[in-house]
Amino acid sequence: DGGITQSPKYLFRKEGQNVTLSCEQNLNHDAMYWYRQDPGQGLRLIYYSQIVNDFQKGDIAEGYSVSREKKESFPLTVTSAQKNPTAFYLCASSAQTGNQPQHFGDGTRLSIL
Amino acid sequence: GENVEQHPSTLSVQEGDSAVIKCTYSDSASNYFPWYKQELGKRPQLIIDIRSNVGEKKDQRIAVTLNKTAKHFSLHITETQPEDSAVYFCAASEGNYQLIWGAGTKLIIKP
Repeated sequence: DGGITQSPKYLFRKEGQNVTLSCEQNLNHDAMYWYRQDPGQGLRLIYYSQIVNDFQKGDIAEGYSVSREKKESFPLTVTSAQKNPTAFYLCASSAQTGNQPQHFGDGTRLSIL
Repeated sequence: GENVEQHPSTLSVQEGDSAVIKCTYSDSASNYFPWYKQELGKRPQLIIDIRSNVGEKKDQRIAVTLNKTAKHFSLHITETQPEDSAVYFCAASEGNYQLIWGAGTKLIIKP
C-alpha cells in the first residue's frame, strides 16, 4: 500500500545492538500497529497506538519499544533484550482502532549477524 | 478476550474448483471480520470484509458469510485460479482496540 512506507527493507543486527525500524503513513490514520511474523506463522501484535503520544503493549512487547510523537510516524526499536529478533516485521494503520480495515506496509526483514 | 480459530491450515484444490476457509470466534461482541491475502514475502492485503449487521457479502469470485449465532464466518472463492495461491488470514475485532488474527490457511491451487 503506497500509503505506508517501511524502511529499511532488510536489516541486520549485531548482538547487543538496538535497531530501529521506520514506519510512515500518509493516510491520515489515527491508529498504527506493529506485528511480528515468523516463517510460516501468523501475525503477532507487538504494540499499537490509537492516537499521538499514546501506545499500548500487544501480546509480545518484551524486548521492543515504540514512540508516537507524530501522527504519521510509529518507529519500532528492537532492543538487545529481544534475544530472537529474526523475523518479518509489518507495520499497519487504520482510521481508528478495532473495527476498521488495517492497511499494511511492505515489511522489514530483520536478521542477526 | 477474543480468540479466533481458522481451518484448515492447508487447503489444496483443483484449478477451477471452489475453496472454503472457515473461522470461528469467541466474543459475541465482535462486529468486524476482515479477510486478508498474503503472497510469499509480501504484505497482507485486504480482500473482503463483513460487519455484524450483514450475513453475506460478495465481490466477484470472492464471498464471505457470517453466522452470528454459531459465531463463525467463512471465505468462499469460486472458479479458483493459480493466482489465488497464497496464505489467507481471517480476523475479528476485539472491542474498539485491535483485530485478533487467525493462524492462516495456505491455499494451493493445483493445475
